[in-house]
Amino acid sequence: SQTIHQWPATLVQPVGSPLSLECTVEGTSNPNLYWYRQAAGRGLQLLFYSVGIGQISSEVPQNLSASRPQDRQFILSSKKLLLSDSGFYLCAWTAEPNTEAFFGQGTRLTVV
Amino acid sequence: GENVEQHPSTLSVQEGDSAVIKCTYSDSASNYFPWYKQELGKGPQLIIDIRSNVGEKKDQRIAVTLNKTAKHFSLHITETQPEDSAVYFCAAEGGADGLTFGKGTHLIIQP
Repeated sequence: SQTIHQWPATLVQPVGSPLSLECTVEGTSNPNLYWYRQAAGRGLQLLFYSVGIGQISSEVPQNLSASRPQDRQFILSSKKLLLSDSGFYLCAWTAEPNTEAFFGQGTRLTVV
Repeated sequence: GENVEQHPSTLSVQEGDSAVIKCTYSDSASNYFPWYKQELGKGPQLIIDIRSNVGEKKDQRIAVTLNKTAKHFSLHITETQPEDSAVYFCAAEGGADGLTFGKGTHLIIQP
């Protein structure tokens, strides 16, 4: 069966520090991968999506970047965190666009 | 692109009563409409979905209805229980970038 792993579960980082959140998927090949941010306990804002290795599309301009170095690995990064980067970050995958999305357990990021 | 509106943002019902959450979408070409449940501190999980060739779908206490002409779809939960308390998201096809989500409904089940 397919599973998605996301870590860490929680993270407290100072302003100006770098960030790296990792997401991996098991049990499937060539998944579509997504990074979402959820602020104030609501609303899923799509940050990045990827349909293949090295292919990244960004939905909103921001202080973050994403990379897909392997088929089932998706990384969210920042060189210098801002206070406004605090939130709940979710990784997700789909087998095809517009089919069921499977979410990771999320990372609670607090920038202090 | 697709735009999804979800109402209400918060819904409080007595245990045992029914709850209804409504969503509208903008793109008439959308054909897939899932509903997700998110418990505190966890990722959303699919609870039910519907495709445009079906007007209604049921799974035990949960049902979803779709009106393609009016471009709206609804989630119905009957005989609500405390464990139904969560945030619920509707979504619709969003093109190549996947699903477009509503802003969520915080459902509170009062004992």
